[in-house]
This record gives sequence, C-alpha cells and structure tokens, in this order.
Amino acid sequence: KNQVEQSPQSLIILEGKNCTLQCNYTVSPFSNLRWYKQDTGRGPVSLTIMTFSENTKSNGRYTATLDADTKQSSLHITASQLSDSASYICVVIFMMNTGFQKLVFGTGTRLLVSP
Amino acid sequence: GAVVSQHPSWVICKSGTSVKIECRSLDFQATTMFWYRQFPKQSLMLMATSNEGSKATYEQGVEKDKFLINHASLTLSTLTVTSAHPEDSSFYICSASTTNTEAFFGQGTRLTVV
Repeated sequence: KNQVEQSPQSLIILEGKNCTLQCNYTVSPFSNLRWYKQDTGRGPVSLTIMTFSENTKSNGRYTATLDADTKQSSLHITASQLSDSASYICVVIFMMNTGFQKLVFGTGTRLLVSP
Repeated sequence: GAVVSQHPSWVICKSGTSVKIECRSLDFQATTMFWYRQFPKQSLMLMATSNEGSKATYEQGVEKDKFLINHASLTLSTLTVTSAHPEDSSFYICSASTTNTEAFFGQGTRLTVV
C-alpha cells in the first residue's frame, strides 16, 4: 500500500533555532518527492522537488534530503522565523501506467515557532 | 511560479443547495487537476483526479453524483457540491499539473453549509 508517514506530528521551537522534519514512504514506483508548506486556511506552497537521483536540494533556509534506498526524506529549517509556523507536508508522486501521476500525501507536521 | 486560482475563497450556503467551485490554471495548461478535501488539523484527502476531456476518477468513498467534477478545458476545472449538507462543510483545494511536472495548488475554498 502506498503510504507516506511524517514525524513528528507537531513541533514547537524557539525563533532562531533549527529543526528537522522526517518523512518515510512506501510509494512505488517512485517518481519524485515534494515538500510543501501550508499556512492555516491556505493552499500548499511548494518548497522543494526531488527526483530519484537527487540527494539534497535547498531553497533558502529550507534544505531537503532524500535517501531513495531507505525511502526517507527530511526537511531541515535553518534559523527559524515566526513566519515558518505552518504545516509541512511531504508528498510522494508515482506514475500510473496510464502515464498520469498520482500524489500520496503525508499527514503533515505542524510547526510552531515561538518568540 | 505557475499560478492556480481557485474561486470563491469562502462560501456559505443553505443546506440542500448546490455550490460550484472553480479552479483555473492561469499561466499553463493543466492536463490533470486534482480535488482535495481537508478537515481541520488533517492532511489533504484526495477526492478525485480529473484529466482534461475525460471523466473524473473518484477515490473510494467519494460520491460522484454528489461531487460533480467537470474538466472541460486545459485551464478550468469545476467542483460542484450538490445538495450540500452540514457534513460537507470543509476546506476544498484543487491542484493542477502537466504530466511529469509539479502540482500547483489553489488557495482553497472554505465551504460552510448551514
């Protein structure tokens, strides 16, 4: 069964600190993995996209890693800001035999950055 | 980045009425559009996948006669919640993509049925 699990479920950190969010998946065949940030009451916004051959990708203070062998990914946030408070969702994409893609969503990690 | 516009951003309707939500890709042609529902503090739940020009594929447990999806063009998909009831109140989000590319999400629509 295609699943994406994220941990922790929620996290509180002090402003300026770093944190790492985890994502484990069982999706196959794997196409790519994406991290999204979702503010409350808004649609998700893409942070990073990683294909099978990519191990790490950065977007400003966000750095994602991918280990396709162990089917694990992480999102590291550096020097957190209050505006980083949001839900972070790991999404794994696989290609169906129709040629269209299907997205499998993780349950998300709710991050609260405290002043 | 690509823009997906979803309208309206919020709507309140009476029980028994129908509500239409639009999802438009503004600067690219979307071969596939996805419709999601999200309950508070939960992740997005895929309702259906819509490919332009063909019937939508609904996820198990989603009533296709209640949630009507139309994807008539490469830039527009609509979700109509028919005979809405209070339990249909939720946050509905669309996303659009071309084959093998990133999925871009709309801003979401908060539906409240009273």
